Amino acid sequence: QKEVEQNSGPLSVPEGAIASLNCTYSDRGSQSFFWYRQYSGKSPELIMSIYSNGDKEDGRFTAQLNKASQYVSLLIRDSQPSDSATYLCAVNRGRGNQFYFGTGTSLTVIP
Amino acid sequence: KAGVTQTPRYLIKTRGQQVTLSCSPISGHRSVSWYQQTPGQGLQFLFEYFSETQRNKGNFPGRFSGRQFSNSRSEMNVSTLELGDSALYLCASSPDRMNTEAFFGQGTRLTVV
Repeated sequence: QKEVEQNSGPLSVPEGAIASLNCTYSDRGSQSFFWYRQYSGKSPELIMSIYSNGDKEDGRFTAQLNKASQYVSLLIRDSQPSDSATYLCAVNRGRGNQFYFGTGTSLTVIP
Repeated sequence: KAGVTQTPRYLIKTRGQQVTLSCSPISGHRSVSWYQQTPGQGLQFLFEYFSETQRNKGNFPGRFSGRQFSNSRSEMNVSTLELGDSALYLCASSPDRMNTEAFFGQGTRLTVV
């Protein structure tokens, strides 16, 4: 079983719609959760971090964490073509700064 | 504040050679981690250094090694290069506390021929 699993997509949404990205993790003791965005040929860029159950909002982005279900999601409201990228879910078990990454979900926002 | 700086950006090496990659973290960050990214395997953790000590290590062969200097700069070395080592190598910098965000450099694209 992989540490972190994501639907690889591709996920296509029209401009202005809500994009929903999901991630599950295997280690129930995991303590912190992150979403990164990676444009083609570029390095990952941190979008959101979430540490406790519930929702965390930052602009058009909302991260949701459910530790009981071992599930993390990212909602992107009012999606823009510039949001087209691969979104990586990352999990830290709390032993230093070692991250486990999912393989990413490719998102395309259609103008 | 300057970001994470990795050098060189691109490298082409021959099988059997060795290579050294460099990473300068964000000023004030003492945790530096290294990842290998390939299309097939995604991002895989190599190792983490904190205050010149290796704190965590991933499941890579001993050909992959690293070190950290007193100014927090880190180097990664790969010896006896194989074709399968061709990848994007990413360095990430984190603040002192554990379990916190990581900020990535632009990466070094290594091609082994």
